[in-house]
Amino acid sequence: DAGVTQSPTHLIKTRGQQVTLRCSPKSGHDTVSWYQQALGQGPQFIFQYYEEEERQRGNFPDRFSGHQFPNYSSELNVNALLLGDSALYLCASSPGQGLLSGANVLTFGAGSRLTVL
Amino acid sequence: AQSVTQLDSHVSVSEGTPVLLRCNYSSSYSPSLFWYVQHPNKGLQLLLKYTSAATLVKGINGFEAEFKKSETSFHLTKPSAHMSDAAEYFCVVTDNKLIFGAGTRLAVHP
Repeated sequence: DAGVTQSPTHLIKTRGQQVTLRCSPKSGHDTVSWYQQALGQGPQFIFQYYEEEERQRGNFPDRFSGHQFPNYSSELNVNALLLGDSALYLCASSPGQGLLSGANVLTFGAGSRLTVL
Repeated sequence: AQSVTQLDSHVSVSEGTPVLLRCNYSSSYSPSLFWYVQHPNKGLQLLLKYTSAATLVKGINGFEAEFKKSETSFHLTKPSAHMSDAAEYFCVVTDNKLIFGAGTRLAVHP
């Protein structure tokens, strides 16, 4: 049973460019969340998608956008990259109604490491 | 607002000795709390979760944590450290999303 898969695993961009990261959720999961983990810090919530709509959003600017497809996979897009966007981007999936409860435990992917030069 | 504070950024133990990773939480209501572990180049893995059932929670790989409401703590322990336990550990509280602490890096020495 495949878990959460993310691509690419590593990528390098320059300031001002745009990037798209991809995520396939665990089989049977319909909700996808994205987290940003800067070096030496804990992951921070970016947003969550359920039924192809953004359901929750963390404290991130509009340069961060996403999409969920009918097969539940998801993309994270970041425009006008800044040096501070360098981080590990984690995708997590969960089953359920789009709201995270104590019972709906997330399954995380290994992440996409973005370096902005 | 919900939050967690991990009291130690680094912990170093010898193999075979006990492990204690400390976490305090802040919550306006009864929280759901988790501990996750992150090994290099691997996804975050759930160690254990507390969801208002038993206050002593047993997890994988011999880890356990005790929820203490009076102390607003959820410390992670293991009786005997193994080399493979070396990793980054995160205490997490839920608020319709996961709110992570800053992490504790555990080093295990032979």
